This record gives sequence, structure tokens and C-alpha cells, in this order.
Amino acid sequence: GQQVMQIPQYQHVQEGEDFTTYCNSSTTLSNIQWYKQRPGGHPVFLIQLVKSGEVKKQKRLTFQFGEAKKNSSLHITATQTTDVGTYFCAGGTSGSRLTFGEGTQLTVNP
Amino acid sequence: NAGVTQTPKFQVLKTGQSMTLQCAQDMNHEYMSWYRQDPGMGLRLIHYSVGAGITDQGEVPNGYNVSRSTTEDFPLRLLSAAPSQTSVYFCASSYGTGQGGEKLFFGSGTQLSVL
Repeated sequence: GQQVMQIPQYQHVQEGEDFTTYCNSSTTLSNIQWYKQRPGGHPVFLIQLVKSGEVKKQKRLTFQFGEAKKNSSLHITATQTTDVGTYFCAGGTSGSRLTFGEGTQLTVNP
Repeated sequence: NAGVTQTPKFQVLKTGQSMTLQCAQDMNHEYMSWYRQDPGMGLRLIHYSVGAGITDQGEVPNGYNVSRSTTEDFPLRLLSAAPSQTSVYFCASSYGTGQGGEKLFFGSGTQLSVL
């Protein structure tokens, strides 16, 4: 079945440093979603990408969808302590449910 | 709107006990689902429903039952709890059928420990 792999599993950064998490699918995706889960909280939807090569920005967050629609990345510029949490990608294919990656747990040292 | 409401927030069970995790949504979503979250394994789909009276298995359905008698409610039943079912459980809902890329709305989760 479809697999979605996410790296790294953990990332520790100093406040102000950049952060990137990568998501790779074993199959071509029709869409990819990103979620953020704060410590002790529940996943919250951030964004969805559907087009090949699509790039979307939300303030300091930049999301990319690969040309082959099999990979995606989330980049945070100049991290802040409010960025702490686990970031999940979730890939969707036609006719199937979303498959979540393992998540990247981000810690930010002030 | 309350969104997706899960109860209880915490539960401790002994091996072999049964229990029901409750999930309710007030957004008139057709699609509802249950996930379990284990360290390093992301969110894995247990069961889902695309409407009242319709349920189907996800990736890890063994040991769990569901039913969907109303649009609002989607309870998850553990028939005979096992230590391997210790996990955090999330209920999630969305518009549509869950196959069209609709975003998921998650409940606040239930932390379950089976001793």
C-alpha cells in the first residue's frame, strides 16, 4: 500500500535558525496536506497542495509540492518558540484515504 | 461551534476490559474517522465512515469496532483491551467522503493506557 515517509524524525534548532522537514511518498499523490500538532494537543490543518511544483507561503512557512507529486517539504524561516510542535504531512491519492507520515518533532531553544 | 468533541480525555483499563471512546461533531460532516497515534508511527487510520450506517476498516482495525447511527456520532469500541492498544486516539471529521482532499478536523484526543 501507499507509504509516506517523513524526515527527520526530530529536529532541535536555536531560535532564529531555519527548519525544513521532508515528505516522500511511494506513489504519486493527488494532493498533500500539512498539519501541526502542539505538545499535548491535536493535529491542526495548515495547508493543502494539489498542483505539480506548487509553492505556497504562510508568513514564515513555505510549502512545496514536487514536480512528480511524490514529495513535499515544509520550510520555516527564522524559527520562533511558537513553532514548537510536531509537523505531519499527509498524502492523498484518488480513491483512497489520507496516509500520514511519521511526523517531525521540532524543538526550539530560546 | 464545538467542532469535534471526544470523551474521555484520559482512561486507564485493565487487560480484557471493554470500553467505548465517544466522538461527536456538530459541523454536519459526512466523513468521520478514528486514528491512533504512537511515537514514531504518525497517525494510523483505524476505522472510518462516509455517512450514517456506513463504516469501513482502515489500516489497523483489529480489536476495534465502530458504528455510525447518526451523522453526529462515531463511537469507537474496544472489545477486550490489550496493552498493545495503549495509545492516543483521535477522532477526525471532514466534509465530503474523505477521498477528495478535504481537510480533517481533529478532536482533542483520548490518552488510553491498558495495564
